[in-house]
Amino acid sequence: EAQVTQNPRYLITVTGKKLTVTCSQNMNHEYMSWYRQDPGLGLRQIYYSMNVEVTDKGDVPEGYKVSRKEKRNFPLILESPSPNQTSLYFCASGRPNTDTQYFGPGTRLTVL
Amino acid sequence: QKEVEQDPGPLSVPEGAIVSLNCTYSNSAFQYFMWYRQYSRKGPELLMYTYSSGNKEDGRFTAQVDKSSKYISLFIRDSQPSDSATYLCAMSALRAAGNKLTFGGGTRVLVKP
Repeated sequence: EAQVTQNPRYLITVTGKKLTVTCSQNMNHEYMSWYRQDPGLGLRQIYYSMNVEVTDKGDVPEGYKVSRKEKRNFPLILESPSPNQTSLYFCASGRPNTDTQYFGPGTRLTVL
Repeated sequence: QKEVEQDPGPLSVPEGAIVSLNCTYSNSAFQYFMWYRQYSRKGPELLMYTYSSGNKEDGRFTAQVDKSSKYISLFIRDSQPSDSATYLCAMSALRAAGNKLTFGGGTRVLVKP
């Protein structure tokens, strides 16, 4: 089944404790992206990647890191999480310059 | 002011009614317009996609774009309880994947049996 998977789905952590949210897609997509979703603000792009070893900042990159060492994986790293990073995070993938981005199921992160 | 405005709702309608959703935007560079549906605890899924102005119909769904007014709409005919979800509009100056998407905040829709 073609899909985007994220782990963990739910995470509660404390300020300053490094964490990684994994994202994997099995559709051989070149493009991958991370979004955060907050009430009333819609989805805002954090980082995106056009291919292996090619990443760039989105609208809200502060406090986040990403890497794209393999085509299928695009982990999101929070080196020192803070409470304002409490949010619902989505990974997405697609073929460049096509109509559709495929979204993962989301990771709900709470930073205390 | 947000680049894309969308009424958060909730919009409650009886089963069988027409659901009318809309977004306004300020960036005249947007050419690609999308509607995503998001069920609770799920990721968004693409519902409708329109390029430039005009109408597009797909089954019970109709998307309309009026670029002169910077206004887009989604209509759901013969609404069903399974249509209960949050509907997000999104738009882009270029095609979706690989390019910047700007989303509205989403409208929550509840279709009552």
